[in-house]
Amino acid sequence: EAEVAQSPRYKITEKSQAVAFWCDPISGHATLYWYRQILGQGPELLVQFQDESVVDDSQLPKDRFSAERLKGVDSTLKIQPAELGDSAMYLCASSLDRAGELFFGEGSRLTVL
Amino acid sequence: EDQVTQSPEALRLQEGESSSLNCSYTVSGLRGLFWYRQDPGKGPEFLFTLYSAGEEKEKERLKATLTKKESFLHITAPKPEDSATYLCAVSEGNKLVFGAGTILRVKS
Repeated sequence: EAEVAQSPRYKITEKSQAVAFWCDPISGHATLYWYRQILGQGPELLVQFQDESVVDDSQLPKDRFSAERLKGVDSTLKIQPAELGDSAMYLCASSLDRAGELFFGEGSRLTVL
Repeated sequence: EDQVTQSPEALRLQEGESSSLNCSYTVSGLRGLFWYRQDPGKGPEFLFTLYSAGEEKEKERLKATLTKKESFLHITAPKPEDSATYLCAVSEGNKLVFGAGTILRVKS
């Protein structure tokens, strides 16, 4: 069964350091999403790609966060510099189209010390 | 702004004790309501999509229903393996907006 791959699964870093997360969506899925989930809350959309183009990044803190999806396949989410409040689960998801069912990866758990 | 509210925040059931989880939403022109299951430390797993009031979907011990303002996830005769967080989400434009979830614990 096809899956969304994410790495690393866990990352511990000190504040002010740079962090990067990688996502490989299900093959053929044009839409890719990065969500952030703080413990005890639901996922919150950070950025949405349609192929290689950003569709929605209205909730992405652009002073420290960046995301790219070169060639419209895999994607990288970067945080620089990391802050204590960035500790969360970073979830990648993909879908066949922009209104369909989302398939999530296992997530990348970030702890900022 | 669209809102998704789930209740209760947490629910403890005995094995075999049926119950329901609630998801209320305010959205203009619902394009889809989604239910997901999330195990600790894992990503959400898709369960159901509902599109119109009156629609129902079933999967094993779970049944999801939809009205104009809320959705229910009914759990019949739950087992310990049904323990998880259940998330509800609605389509807002081209993205999903999630509720905070209901944490379900089923004890044997």
